Amino acid sequence: KQEVTQIPAALSVPEGENLVLNCSFTDSAIYNLQWFRQDPGKGLTSLLLIQSSQREQTSGRLNASLDKSSGRSTLYIAASQPGDSATYLCGPGANNLFFGTGTRLTVIP
Amino acid sequence: GAGVSQSPSNKVTEKGKDVELRCDPISGHTALYWYRQSLGQGLEFLIYFQGNSAPDKSGLPSDRFSAERTGGSVSTLTIQRTQQEDSAVYLCASSFNPGHPKGTEAFFGQGTRLTVV
Repeated sequence: KQEVTQIPAALSVPEGENLVLNCSFTDSAIYNLQWFRQDPGKGLTSLLLIQSSQREQTSGRLNASLDKSSGRSTLYIAASQPGDSATYLCGPGANNLFFGTGTRLTVIP
Repeated sequence: GAGVSQSPSNKVTEKGKDVELRCDPISGHTALYWYRQSLGQGLEFLIYFQGNSAPDKSGLPSDRFSAERTGGSVSTLTIQRTQQEDSAVYLCASSFNPGHPKGTEAFFGQGTRLTVV
């Protein structure tokens, strides 16, 4: 079974800082990796999808990288804003989709 | 539909009653996933469907939990004889199969909040 670990578990930063969230997974036989955000009491919103053949993907202030062979992905958030406050989850996708416990991000105005 | 739809959005039930939770995936999505999220916790995998088959039921916590999917579309998660510890948000997600020209991005519904009193 895929084991997913996200570090740090929680992060608090002042507005404007750049930050990196880390994800590691044990089974590298994946088709893709997705990063999601979850706001309190809500479902998960897809942020970025990286195919297994890709190394990185960018959307606005977000950049995600994937090193499939080492089982690692990072999500880089540039110029953080209070609206970025949420829990961020990574999901390595194979024949199933498992998650870690996420990183809870708080951006302080 | 435009997105993954779950119903009901909220359900309050008495301990010992059975409940059915419904998930309508995005049209054409063959993969469907159910998760449970207790308050302040991460996503606990329950079951995964490929079409109408469930290759992985390993996450169902007890034999009180069952799920089915018909016509490769709608799925229902049934909890029999509900207990207070079943109180959680139940989330459903769907995606195309790997290799599909539209890709394999998974999309989530807004969940069903189940409260057992």
